[in-house]
Amino acid sequence: AQSVTQLGSHVSVSEGALVLLRCNYSSSVPPYLFWYVQYPNQGLQLLLKYTTGATLVKGINGFEAEFKKSETSFHLTKPSAHMSDAAEYFCAVSATAGTYKYIFGTGTRLKVLA
Amino acid sequence: DAGVTQSPTHLIKTRGQQVTLRCSPKSGHDTVSWYQQALGQGPQFIFQYYEEEERQRGNFPDRFSGHQFPNYSSELNVNALLLGDSALYLCASSLIGGTQYNEQFFGPGTRLTVL
Repeated sequence: AQSVTQLGSHVSVSEGALVLLRCNYSSSVPPYLFWYVQYPNQGLQLLLKYTTGATLVKGINGFEAEFKKSETSFHLTKPSAHMSDAAEYFCAVSATAGTYKYIFGTGTRLKVLA
Repeated sequence: DAGVTQSPTHLIKTRGQQVTLRCSPKSGHDTVSWYQQALGQGPQFIFQYYEEEERQRGNFPDRFSGHQFPNYSSELNVNALLLGDSALYLCASSLIGGTQYNEQFFGPGTRLTVL
């Protein structure tokens, strides 16, 4: 069985500050991990993904995430927040075998303060 | 290259009615998954269709059913609507065998309101 926990349903940062959105997962098999962003009244857009190989993953819009197996974490970071980063962010996990569905966290709403 | 498209954009129904939502996958994709996203929640997997058959199903009642057509497009049907069915319904497409991790591409969703 798999699950995802996103700590902090709402996060506020100042423009130019570091963005850190937390994601912890549980999986009985090696996971595939994803971060998606959702803007108001829109679908989900893939930011980045971890499948195999390098544990530090770079995505679009300057975001990156690090897969830490020992901590079962996949936190999303961006060095400098921009106003356009304000959105809802979802972490998701998929098993490497036996299933094809994504399990999503409950999301973190990022607010960027001017 | 057209991405995943869904119709309609918005829908209002009353309790007890039935609804059909439609999805066209991204060009070249052969698999469609449906998710329900209630307000303030993350998407929850409903089911996935491949080769016109339901491949996997989440924890949703039989009131939720689907279909996939030979052109890979898909429908989600919900019978006997309840107030709790109000949500954004997302369709995602992927290519089985394209990647091991079954990368899914999401459409903009259909907002269903049940009164």
